[in-house]
Amino acid sequence: EEHLDESGGALVQPGGSLRLSCAASEFSISSNYMSWVRQAPGKGLEWVSVIYGDRTTYYADSVRGRFTISRDNDKNTMYLQMNNLRAEDTAVYYCVRDERWSRYHYYMDVWGKGTTVSVSS
Amino acid sequence: DIQLTQSPSFLSASIGDRVTITCRASQVVSDYLAWYQQRPGKAPNLLIYAASTLQGAVPSRFTGSGFGTEFTLTISSLQPEDFGTYYCQQYQTYPRVTFGQGTRLEIK
Repeated sequence: EEHLDESGGALVQPGGSLRLSCAASEFSISSNYMSWVRQAPGKGLEWVSVIYGDRTTYYADSVRGRFTISRDNDKNTMYLQMNNLRAEDTAVYYCVRDERWSRYHYYMDVWGKGTTVSVSS
Repeated sequence: DIQLTQSPSFLSASIGDRVTITCRASQVVSDYLAWYQQRPGKAPNLLIYAASTLQGAVPSRFTGSGFGTEFTLTISSLQPEDFGTYYCQQYQTYPRVTFGQGTRLEIK
């Protein structure tokens, strides 16, 4: 069964940095579109970033210029480098596999359990 | 951005009840709509995609319908394990997908 396992969440001060990891098993991340989705405490779900199979990347306006998504095919692991963190970045971060429905449309079919990022002084 | 508005925001129902949640989009999303269930402290779980296609081992008591801007998720006979928060999501504008604000379902 396909599985995603996030790690790297921590308590960090405003302005600090953190790198989240997402290890995949039973499928290859290099041949899939992979996203990060976050959920602030008591709030709904917010898409953060995606990396395509060809390594094309996109970001939500709220994180563009501060976050960088990447992957290591050999380790079958995706990353989210988060710099200049703000209090509003506090959330559970989920790693997600995007499943193709049509040429330009993908839904999210496999989710990790999440890792918690807290930004506070 | 396409806004998704779910109603109701909170729902309390009894075992065996028929439950319906509505999701309205601010623009046409065709049938590029998914539904997720999230139990407290857990990750979201995909229930339905393409507005009406049941994912994998999701029980058949879950039904999705709709097209364009109005969608519904129906649970035909509520079971104890159906508690949690339900989210709709549009992927018409993939990769910039958006989610509804959620509907919290409580079992009486």
